[in-house]
Formats: sequence, structure tokens, C-alpha cells
Amino acid sequence: DAGVIQSPRHEVTEMGQEVTLRCKPISGHNSLFWYRQTMMRGLELLIYFNNNVPIDDSGMPEDRFSAKMPNASFSTLKIQPSEPRDSAVYFCASSFGGGELFFGEGSRLTVL
Amino acid sequence: DAKTTQPPSMDCAEGRAANLPCNHSTISGNEYVYWYRQIHSQGPQYIIHGLKNNETNEMASLIITEDRKSSTLILPHATLRDTAVYYCIVFSKAAGNKLTFGGGTRVLVKP
Repeated sequence: DAGVIQSPRHEVTEMGQEVTLRCKPISGHNSLFWYRQTMMRGLELLIYFNNNVPIDDSGMPEDRFSAKMPNASFSTLKIQPSEPRDSAVYFCASSFGGGELFFGEGSRLTVL
Repeated sequence: DAKTTQPPSMDCAEGRAANLPCNHSTISGNEYVYWYRQIHSQGPQYIIHGLKNNETNEMASLIITEDRKSSTLILPHATLRDTAVYYCIVFSKAAGNKLTFGGGTRVLVKP
């Protein structure tokens, strides 16, 4: 298996633009997680899905952030409009539902 | 609501065993101890987990005290590639199936 695949790996955009991050989980996994990592705040869980259903989005910072999982093999994290403080590395991870998560290589977002 | 406490950093000599401590004094009976590591610029990587018995795999050993209030991750023969941030996490499916990462221990393996 190719592992969790994230795209884009790097994104540079200007404040106010819409950003869409994509994730393809490992086939057969039924849980998907979006994390954000910054120097100041470390690794933060934004939202997670079980069987394509959002279970806990309490980590989503504000209404500018939204996440969807239309099917078992694809998820998106959207930021609209983006702000400089959204600059971070965004990780997607998937699992069979236990504590062993498989992480992607991350999407590094820079908002100017 | 950090449930674990780890030293912020530690050094280790290449080829020697690295012993990484973690305190989790409020752990509940159904909560597991999980360890992950994050090598610079990569996503976190699962290492090992346990409930109350000691565990060993090809990467590391996990020693959990009898009262389960603390644990130690042991890297038996540290290499330069083991330089990373190591996270100790308390996890329970019943509590929501999510992993909450703390600050971790930044381990530097020196030649």
C-alpha cells in the first residue's frame, strides 16, 4: 500500500484566497484524522471521521475551516478565506479505529 | 488537559540504549499508553503501545510500572536516525478514538 497520500505537499498563497488540502487514506481504514502542526502550538487535532462521518470537530479553529469526507477514499480540508496565522503543516492520518495511526507526509501551507 | 508528562529534551550516545520516561499518573484502567516519534519534517510514526504488560517489537521496548502511573520507552541501540521528537500518549477508544499529542521529548542521538 502507498500509505496515506496528501496533496499538495507545499502551498503558498495570499491572504484571502481559498485553500484546499486533499487526503487519500489507506485502503480499508475506517477512521481519518486532520492535524495541524505549528511551532507555537505543536500537533493539534482538528477533526476526525469514522466511516466517513465527522465525529469530533471541536479542534477546528473557526468557521473559515471546513472538512469533508465524501467517500472512504478521499477527504478535503478547506480554508476560506485563508489568513497568515493559518500557516502550518497539515497532516492527515488514517487508522482501523484503534490508536495506531498512519500519517501522511503533510501539506506545508504558507499564507502571505 | 495534558495526561502525560515528559522531559522536554534528552541526549543519547550512538549505540547506547535510550530510556525515555513518561508520567501518566491519572491513567484509567481502560487507557493504553502509546508511543510515537516524529523525525524532522515527517509525519508522526507509531512505535509501540501497551496496557499493563511490558511490550517489545522490532523498534523498541515499553516498560509500564505495576501501578501504571509511568512508563519507559527503550531504544536498545540508538542510531543517529533515531534523532526525533518522541511522544507518549494515553489513549482510550471509549474516550473518543482520538490521539492527543503533547510536547514530547526531543531526543538527540550523538556520535
